Amino acid sequence: GENVEQHPSTLSVQEGDSAVIKCTYSDSASNYFPWYKQELGKRPQLIIDIRSNVGEKKDQRIAVTLNKTAKHFSLHITETQPEDSAVYFCAAKGNNNDMRFGAGTRLTVKP
Amino acid sequence: KAGVTQTPRYLIKTRGQQVTLSCSPISGHRSVSWYQQTPGQGLQFLFEYFSETQRNKGNFPGRFSGRQFSNSRSEMNVSTLELGDSALYLCASSPHPTANTEAFFGQGTRLTVV
Repeated sequence: GENVEQHPSTLSVQEGDSAVIKCTYSDSASNYFPWYKQELGKRPQLIIDIRSNVGEKKDQRIAVTLNKTAKHFSLHITETQPEDSAVYFCAAKGNNNDMRFGAGTRLTVKP
Repeated sequence: KAGVTQTPRYLIKTRGQQVTLSCSPISGHRSVSWYQQTPGQGLQFLFEYFSETQRNKGNFPGRFSGRQFSNSRSEMNVSTLELGDSALYLCASSPHPTANTEAFFGQGTRLTVV
């Protein structure tokens, strides 16, 4: 099945700075790559997703890039705010259509 | 539209016991996946159900099992509980396994094994 690796496991940035989280996947047939944000004590919620027919997608301060050749994708958050502090998970939907997640990145934005 | 509902929210069990967790997907969603969440391990895939059939299974021992009913509600069962089974168990629903759309998560069931 699909295997997703995510880095870094923890990330601390100053408010206003940018944050980048990177993921790699193993199944070249994967074609859907969502990112989820999980705040403390809450359920994971989708913040942005990208499909394999595009290389980049942006939604206000959040952007995701996908490199299918290298099998990696990244989440970029610009102008970070304290409310961006959470655990972020990348995921990939593999050939079997099951969704596999990375181990998560704990982002802390210091005011 | 009601979200994904998981019951119970919290459980405390003793080693060796068994437990059943329930997940009601969003109305109209027919695919249900289960995940185990532990600190540092992220969301580990357990299994996925569609049309009452298990389509995919993660790398968990046979003590972990599940099923799906005709109304798409799903249950997972863990037998002979071990301390290491303590975790947050999340289910997620989506309209169809092949749909490349958001999977919606429930609030989870926090299982503590003592």
